[in-house]
Amino acid sequence: SQQGEEDPQALSIQEGENATMNCSYKTSINNLQWYRQNSGRGLVHLILIRSNEREKHSGRLRVTLDTSKKSSSLLITASRAADTASYFCATDQGGKLIFGQGTELSVKP
Amino acid sequence: DGGITQSPKYLFRKEGQNVTLSCEQNLNHDAMYWYRQDPGQGLRLIYYSQIVNDFQKGDIAEGYSVSREKKESFPLTVTSAQKNPTAFYLCASSAETGGHQPQHFGDGTRLSIL
Repeated sequence: SQQGEEDPQALSIQEGENATMNCSYKTSINNLQWYRQNSGRGLVHLILIRSNEREKHSGRLRVTLDTSKKSSSLLITASRAADTASYFCATDQGGKLIFGQGTELSVKP
Repeated sequence: DGGITQSPKYLFRKEGQNVTLSCEQNLNHDAMYWYRQDPGQGLRLIYYSQIVNDFQKGDIAEGYSVSREKKESFPLTVTSAQKNPTAFYLCASSAETGGHQPQHFGDGTRLSIL
């Protein structure tokens, strides 16, 4: 059962530009997490935002959460070639994390 | 350095064969998970374990089995009943289950059919 849906599926930008990825979900959540996956590697946790939070920052990352619209966005500012990866949102459902299908980000130097 | 180690990195299975994927963690985490990832898709939960000697089925448990005899170890067996085993398998752990803790992932095992 896929709870989160990322949009767009793929995104290609130039180094230095900002990248925005969106995640929509269907049922109420307690928190939402974002992860990054480099090709052929495991996922790396980026940020967790709780349902009573609207915005959270970590370095060049900014995550927003709108529970009324059941959506979240991940903004990466001043992107670098090393940011090239797939990005997944995950929501908690019945004690488990449900992952979306991901956004594939390509940052060209 | 604490982390999760998955082995082998690549694994090939013959028809009718069971294969076991290893997952070891030294993070002292109670909860461990196995996910399957197919191309262009997100992660799907196979099995998870909240504590030693306890585990529950995830969304796609058919054709798989697990054990949790030690806190550090959560091996996954892909049985011959799993007719489409070719995928990337990821093991993860967290301090506790509940979806409110970050999960730490290993670097995966890629399983293919010979």
